[in-house]
Amino acid sequence: GEDVEQSLFLSVREGDSSVINCTYTDSSSTYLYWYKQEPGAGLQLLTYIFSNMDMKQDQRLTVLLNKKDKHLSLRIADTQTGDSAIYFCAESIGTGGFKTIFGAGTRLFVKA
Amino acid sequence: DGGITQSPKYLFRKEGQNVTLSCEQNLNHDAMYWYRQDPGQGLRLIYYSQIVNDFQKGDIAEGYSVSREKKESFPLTVTSAQKNPTAFYLCASSIFRNTEAFFGQGTRLTVV
Repeated sequence: GEDVEQSLFLSVREGDSSVINCTYTDSSSTYLYWYKQEPGAGLQLLTYIFSNMDMKQDQRLTVLLNKKDKHLSLRIADTQTGDSAIYFCAESIGTGGFKTIFGAGTRLFVKA
Repeated sequence: DGGITQSPKYLFRKEGQNVTLSCEQNLNHDAMYWYRQDPGQGLRLIYYSQIVNDFQKGDIAEGYSVSREKKESFPLTVTSAQKNPTAFYLCASSIFRNTEAFFGQGTRLTVV
């Protein structure tokens, strides 16, 4: 079945890099997304990668996609306390009917 | 400013009552969605609509109803048939299905 899995917690020190990992099961993914959720708020799209790409960089964010292993990662360089939030991985399945599957979210704690 | 607005931010419901959550967008998006978020779980799709006057059940539609009479509006009614309605509800919209979604700030519903 379709599933997206993430570890639930990650703790890093301010200034270090954070790497949040995600695995997915459906090989027909078209887009893979990273969303950020701050407490009591909705989700904000951080970045996305098309399934035929291996890497995408956007300022402090680097997304790596290993399609063979169905593994997606988000690296945040020079992590700041304002990066503390929940990060959701999601995949859009482009064949057949509509479907976007979200992971359970990784809560990132940044220690000063 | 373009965006998606949910109201109210907090809602309390007595058992046996129906309540309606509002979602309005001025992004001219065709597709709109309702998700439910529970602690430690990913977002689960309740209903989605790709065009006006049309909507489809998601993975957990039982106990919920929606309408899409206007492009801008996609209200969600939580009926008394929903046995465990306490959750955080998120509305989202996108240009087309499976593309980047823009989320509202969410409504936290509590049954008292």
